Amino acid sequence: QKEVEQDPGPLSVPEGAIVSLNCTYSNSAFQYFMWYRQYSRKGPELLMYTYSSGNKEDGRFTAQVDKSSKYISLFIRDSQPSDSATYLCAMSASGQNFVFGPGTRLSVLP
Amino acid sequence: GAVVSQHPSRVICKSGTSVKIECRSLDFQATTMFWYRQFPKQSLMLMATSNEGSKATYEQGVEKDKFLINHASLTLSTLTVTSAHPEDSSFYICSASQLGFSNQPQHFGDGTRLSIL
Repeated sequence: QKEVEQDPGPLSVPEGAIVSLNCTYSNSAFQYFMWYRQYSRKGPELLMYTYSSGNKEDGRFTAQVDKSSKYISLFIRDSQPSDSATYLCAMSASGQNFVFGPGTRLSVLP
Repeated sequence: GAVVSQHPSRVICKSGTSVKIECRSLDFQATTMFWYRQFPKQSLMLMATSNEGSKATYEQGVEKDKFLINHASLTLSTLTVTSAHPEDSSFYICSASQLGFSNQPQHFGDGTRLSIL
């Protein structure tokens, strides 16, 4: 079993839809969680950074962490074509070395 | 804030050439920098962790004599791919964590696309 699992997609949604991206993990010691967005031929860009369980909201983005289920989610409201990218989750036990998921490719269709 | 610059963005060279890639933190000091490799439609594969003033820590399976890492200052780390061959062609990305702040996320450069002919 991989340490971090993420559906690779591609996920296609119409503009304006609510997008739900998810990762599951096996290491119960993970307590730092991040979501990155990566456009083609670019480095990943940090979107959200959360610690332990709970929700965090930033504009159209909401990150949720459920440590009891070892499951994290990123929600994108009012999705735009510019949100089309690959979304990577990452997590760490110590806040130092992060383990990345394989990424989910998202396409928001105008 | 937290900008990481990586240079060059694209390299095309002949087999046997050594290639140096620079990673700079522009507006913060980075105790630790990370080097990743990414194949098309795949996730990031950590190659090594670079700490300022000390030897890099390489992940299992990564040849340290092939991928030389130098972290000479708090704002600069370099990766040199020595005697590169076509199988070394890939997308190389660096990231940096900010000095003095515990548990800070990594900030990434825009990557270097290396093509060995």
